[in-house]
Amino acid sequence: GENVEQHPSTLSVQEGDSAVIKCTYSDSASNYFPWYKQELGKGPQLIIDIRSNVGEKKDQRIAVTLNKTAKHFSLHITETQPEDSAVYFCAASRNYGGSQGNLIFGKGTKLSVKP
Amino acid sequence: DGGITQSPKYLFRKEGQNVTLSCEQNLNHDAMYWYRQDPGQGLRLIYYSQIVNDFQKGDIAEGYSVSREKKESFPLTVTSAQKNPTAFYLCASSVTSITYNEQFFGPGTRLTVL
Repeated sequence: GENVEQHPSTLSVQEGDSAVIKCTYSDSASNYFPWYKQELGKGPQLIIDIRSNVGEKKDQRIAVTLNKTAKHFSLHITETQPEDSAVYFCAASRNYGGSQGNLIFGKGTKLSVKP
Repeated sequence: DGGITQSPKYLFRKEGQNVTLSCEQNLNHDAMYWYRQDPGQGLRLIYYSQIVNDFQKGDIAEGYSVSREKKESFPLTVTSAQKNPTAFYLCASSVTSITYNEQFFGPGTRLTVL
């Protein structure tokens, strides 16, 4: 079945450094790839997303790249700050029960930014 | 103030009891979803609803039931048949589930079975 692999599971960086989280997906029909940030005890919030007709998207310190041929996409956070500390999830769209809007999620990356 | 609300935030249940988790949205979204989150795991889909009076099983529907009688409400019942119900439950909604678009999440309910 469909699968999304996410690496690393934990990531620790110094404040000001960059952080990169990588995901691979199995369903070649996937065409929407969101990234969510989840703070402790809260629900996930969308931070950036990319669609399959785009190779890269940037929003201030956050960027996402997509390689459809290799079926992988990555989240890049530059100039990290302590408030970036959270769990980050990647996801890929899938066709499930005739609905193309369902998502399959990676297992998450716990990012810690040390001051 | 638009958004998704879930209640209660914490819920304790004795083994063998059914319990219902509430999810309400005022975003006028057609689609709603329930996910289960366990430590170190991603979000796994329990049930989803594309429109009022319709719902479909997700990847881990066994031991759960839902209803969608109103557009804004999608309650989840955890039955005694669910063998390992202790988890963090997240409700989400989107404009539609027919095509891909952003899913908005509620704050979650943490269920603990005693």
